[in-house]
Amino acid sequence: AQKVTQAQTEISVVEKEDVTLDCVYETRDTTYYLFWYKQPPSGELVFLIRRNSFDEQNEISGRYSWNFQKSTSSFNFTITASQVVDSAVYFCALSEGNNAGNMLTFGGGTRLMVKP
Amino acid sequence: EADIYQTPRYLVIGTGKKITLECSQTMGHDKMYWYQQDPGMELHLIHYSYGVNSTEKGDLSSESTVSRIRTEHFPLTLESARPSHTSQYLCASSPPLHRDYGYTFGSGTRLTVV
Repeated sequence: AQKVTQAQTEISVVEKEDVTLDCVYETRDTTYYLFWYKQPPSGELVFLIRRNSFDEQNEISGRYSWNFQKSTSSFNFTITASQVVDSAVYFCALSEGNNAGNMLTFGGGTRLMVKP
Repeated sequence: EADIYQTPRYLVIGTGKKITLECSQTMGHDKMYWYQQDPGMELHLIHYSYGVNSTEKGDLSSESTVSRIRTEHFPLTLESARPSHTSQYLCASSPPLHRDYGYTFGSGTRLTVV
């Protein structure tokens, strides 16, 4: 059975600090997809990134970066120089199989509060 | 611009009322999902559909029902609302095989049953 764990329920930082959100997953499949979504106070879930299990290359997008480590079953998300607008709940998710549109299993979410 | 639409955005309703939460998508996706999100943030899958006339219950038992008569439309109905149904409900759809991205979510419906 697949499982996603986000051990940090809530993180509070001061603006311009770097922050890393942890995500650990469990799956028996060799083919799977990992995702991060952002949920701002308005409530919608915004897609941030997708990674498949065969692509361990880390990715950087502006102030966001993702570190995928199959050896530790982790897919951590780092925000550099955090801003107040980064305040949101962040979800890590896993989809098994070779179709990124298969059923998603979400972690419990991490609430990030960035204070000015 | 959103490709998946949920209405209403907010709803306050009395106990015992019947309600339908609407979800429509314009992307032609076969797969659609309903998630319930409790105040503690966790997302629970309550219903899903892999196409017209296909509906299944998700991981979390729910007193709601769904229908899928048209590809683009996946409404969720509560026959008799109770305070325990107070939650945010998120609708999502996902693409066919071998596409680059996962789910697209609607903006959600925040339901309060008083």
